[in-house]
Amino acid sequence: QTVVTQEPSFSVSPGGKVTLTCGLNSGSVSTDYYPSWYQQTPGQAPRTLIYSTNTRSSGVPNRFSGSILGNKAVLTITGAQADDECDYYCVLYMGRGISVFGGGTKLTVL
Amino acid sequence: EVQLVESGGGLIQPGGSLRLSCAASGFTVSGNYMSWVRQAPGKGLEWVSVIYSGGSTYYADSVKGRFTISRDNSKNALDLQMDSLRVEDTAVYYCARGQPPATGIGYYFDYWGQGILVTVSS
Repeated sequence: QTVVTQEPSFSVSPGGKVTLTCGLNSGSVSTDYYPSWYQQTPGQAPRTLIYSTNTRSSGVPNRFSGSILGNKAVLTITGAQADDECDYYCVLYMGRGISVFGGGTKLTVL
Repeated sequence: EVQLVESGGGLIQPGGSLRLSCAASGFTVSGNYMSWVRQAPGKGLEWVSVIYSGGSTYYADSVKGRFTISRDNSKNALDLQMDSLRVEDTAVYYCARGQPPATGIGYYFDYWGQGILVTVSS
């Protein structure tokens, strides 16, 4: 069974830089999985941040960036702000119509 | 402006059926990939199903054989027929538009509805 892995939680200081990762329980993540990233605050619908590994969605600040680092997709936030404190999810496209979400990372800014 | 509004949620007993609908505006459902994503209380997001613009449908293993995704072109809406519901199907269900990449295959979610709660309980 395919499992997409994310750090359950992460902390960053205001103004700091954080890199969240998205991996696979077996194998490496590449651009062929078209990784995308979503931000969700409690009680709200997700917001699209990044798609196709590194393309920012419309209106997303350029302090959010995506890439492949080693065998994982990563979401990097530079200059973290208080309102970046929320949950972050990655999605990998597995082929044959199937998408799989990671378990999500709860980001704390303190 | 693109908008997605879900309806049809509520409380249902285990083994029962429920039909969700997602009314779209600002674009044509039939010309796009459309998907359902759910989130159990206090849990993460889970992809449920997608229907491609060409009509192909795909499902997560957890719902395959029990859920059916379809389009109502006359209403410009996306539907999800949920049968043989289980307690573990309790979740907020989001409708999302899928967008293929500029090159290649697959899709990502570019617009989301606000979600509708489905509670399966006796």
